[in-house]
Amino acid sequence: DQQVKQNSPSLSVQEGRISILNCDYTNSMFDYFLWYKKYPAEGPTFLISISSIKDKNEDGRFTVFLNKSAKHLSLHIVPSQPGDSAVYFCAASPRSSNDYKLSFGAGTTVTVRA
Amino acid sequence: DGGITQSPKYLFRKEGQNVTLSCEQNLNHDAMYWYRQDPGQGLRLIYYSQIVNDFQKGDIAEGYSVSREKKESFPLTVTSAQKNPTAFYLCASSTQGVRSPLHFGNGTRLTVT
Repeated sequence: DQQVKQNSPSLSVQEGRISILNCDYTNSMFDYFLWYKKYPAEGPTFLISISSIKDKNEDGRFTVFLNKSAKHLSLHIVPSQPGDSAVYFCAASPRSSNDYKLSFGAGTTVTVRA
Repeated sequence: DGGITQSPKYLFRKEGQNVTLSCEQNLNHDAMYWYRQDPGQGLRLIYYSQIVNDFQKGDIAEGYSVSREKKESFPLTVTSAQKNPTAFYLCASSTQGVRSPLHFGNGTRLTVT
């Protein structure tokens, strides 16, 4: 049973426009969320994170929004650049004594068109 | 440059054979992890190790084994008991837990026929 869901397998956006990636979760114990980015033939790299005590975290062109009541988070990339074309994974960590488990979504493939 | 090295990049084995995937890190991280990625699915945790000489089962440990004799190394053995071993395997490390960013290797694609 997948506790983190990325319902859009792919997203195509024009260069310079906003990319919005969505992620939903079902486990109310999740209190820390991360986004990872993956290029083909490489391992994922950490992009940005957010704790449940916040509803927004920003890092340059990347902003993550958290809506706890809806169990929903989104990643905004503004403006989108060709180098942003990659697979983006949403991940969540539960509030517990075990800080070594992450639940990942299936990923969203972003293609930025010139 | 510090990082995680996984080898080999591609691995082919016959059904019924055990195979060991290598993972080495020079980041001085205490924690190491093995994940499996299948098409259309997120990464799933196989095993993790918080410290040398200690490791714990993840969500899909059946048919796999690991060892952590050195801080730098966390090899994964895919045994013949693993029902569907063909997959993309990713090794990762972190300073402490998953709330510090995971550093991933470039993965090993295992094909068993």
